[in-house]
Amino acid sequence: QVQLQQWGAGLLKPSETLSLTCAVYGGSFSGYYWSWIRQPPGKGLEWIGEINHSGSTNYNPSLKSRVTISVDTSKNQFSLKLSSVTAADTAVYYCARGVVVVAATPYYYYYYMDVWGKGTTVTVSS
Amino acid sequence: SSELTQDPAVSVALGQTVRITCQGDSLRSYYASWYQQKPGQAPVLVIYGKNNRPSGIPDRFSGSSSGNTASLTITGAQAEDEADYYCNSRDSSGNHLRVFGGGTKLTVL
Repeated sequence: QVQLQQWGAGLLKPSETLSLTCAVYGGSFSGYYWSWIRQPPGKGLEWIGEINHSGSTNYNPSLKSRVTISVDTSKNQFSLKLSSVTAADTAVYYCARGVVVVAATPYYYYYYMDVWGKGTTVTVSS
Repeated sequence: SSELTQDPAVSVALGQTVRITCQGDSLRSYYASWYQQKPGQAPVLVIYGKNNRPSGIPDRFSGSSSGNTASLTITGAQAEDEADYYCNSRDSSGNHLRVFGGGTKLTVL
């Protein structure tokens, strides 16, 4: 059974860089999209971005200028860096495994996140 | 703002059927996935694709899609189904971007 274990600093000052890592245990690292999602207190889920095993990334346009997601396939880990944080970045951050299913005839496409980390609370405060 | 729109809150009597909807242009081309989140917990996948349930999800949960609307139906809602529900799909730009709906708070009366 695949499990995701995440860790990183939980308290940051404004302008610092958030850094989180997620390790994948019990399953293959290739063939999936590895995502970061966050949830501000009392609010909904926001997709931050994703990376695949070869290092190809997709980012939420609203965060793209500050986000870097990287992968270390030798350790089955992927990481999130978010620069220049402010109080608005205070949230619970989750890592998740994404699956894409595509068929040509008939055409269909669907995506889902089937395994999630437990979440890391990150607070930005001076 | 989210490209997927959900009603903020829905209620259902115990044992009755409830439908939670998600609207967005991207849903004309891509199926949604649905997540259940209880307070203090990580989201859990409940429906994906046309109408698929992960192992361990009760069969009272089902999904459907028509036009720009995806729906999650709970047939015979139980007290433990009270939670926030989020839809997710690919965004409408055609790029490999993911987007969540704003979430629906389900109350079981």
